Amino acid sequence: EPEVTQTPSHQVTQMGQEVILRCVPISNHLYFYWYRQILGQKVEFLVSFYNNEISEKSEIFDDQFSVERPDGSNFTLKIRSTKLEDSAMYFCASSLDATEAFFGQGTRLTVV
Amino acid sequence: AQSVTQPDIHITVSEGASLELRCNYSYGATPYLFWYVQSPGQGLQLLLKYFSGDTLVQGIKGFEAEFKRSQSSFNLRKPSVHWSDAAEYFCAVGTTSGTYKYIFGTGTRLKVLA
Repeated sequence: EPEVTQTPSHQVTQMGQEVILRCVPISNHLYFYWYRQILGQKVEFLVSFYNNEISEKSEIFDDQFSVERPDGSNFTLKIRSTKLEDSAMYFCASSLDATEAFFGQGTRLTVV
Repeated sequence: AQSVTQPDIHITVSEGASLELRCNYSYGATPYLFWYVQSPGQGLQLLLKYFSGDTLVQGIKGFEAEFKRSQSSFNLRKPSVHWSDAAEYFCAVGTTSGTYKYIFGTGTRLKVLA
């Protein structure tokens, strides 16, 4: 069964460093998302991406964040200068037709 | 404002007992509705979903949920809980107007007593 894959599963980075989280969505899907879950909290929407551009972003998604679909298969989330409060589980999701989104297993980002 | 409320932060039940997890939403139209389960440190597993039609939906692991439009609710139920059901449960709304995205509730942590 097709699935969304995320790499790495766990990343530790120093405060102020840039980090790139990678996702391979399901191949024929058209809508792509990033969500964040701080430990012990709910899952929060960060950004949606369709037709090679951001369709919506939350207030969490400030100038430190960017997304890219560099080669038609990968979908990346970049955090330019990480802060301690960026430590969270980051979920990538994709959807074929904006009905059901399929989530990856997540990347746990730890900023030290 | 669009929101999802799960009023119970923690629920404890005995193994074999029935379970109901509550979910209420605030949304201008009829949304798509989902329940996910998450074990500690793990990803989100879809239990069931509602798009339209029959308001009682069956999911995996013996779970079911009922959509009640008049109450803006989508409560999750299981007739007999197993110890392996201990986890965190999230209700989510998929928006049906504007940019499609999920809005999650704050979650209910289920503890199962042997």
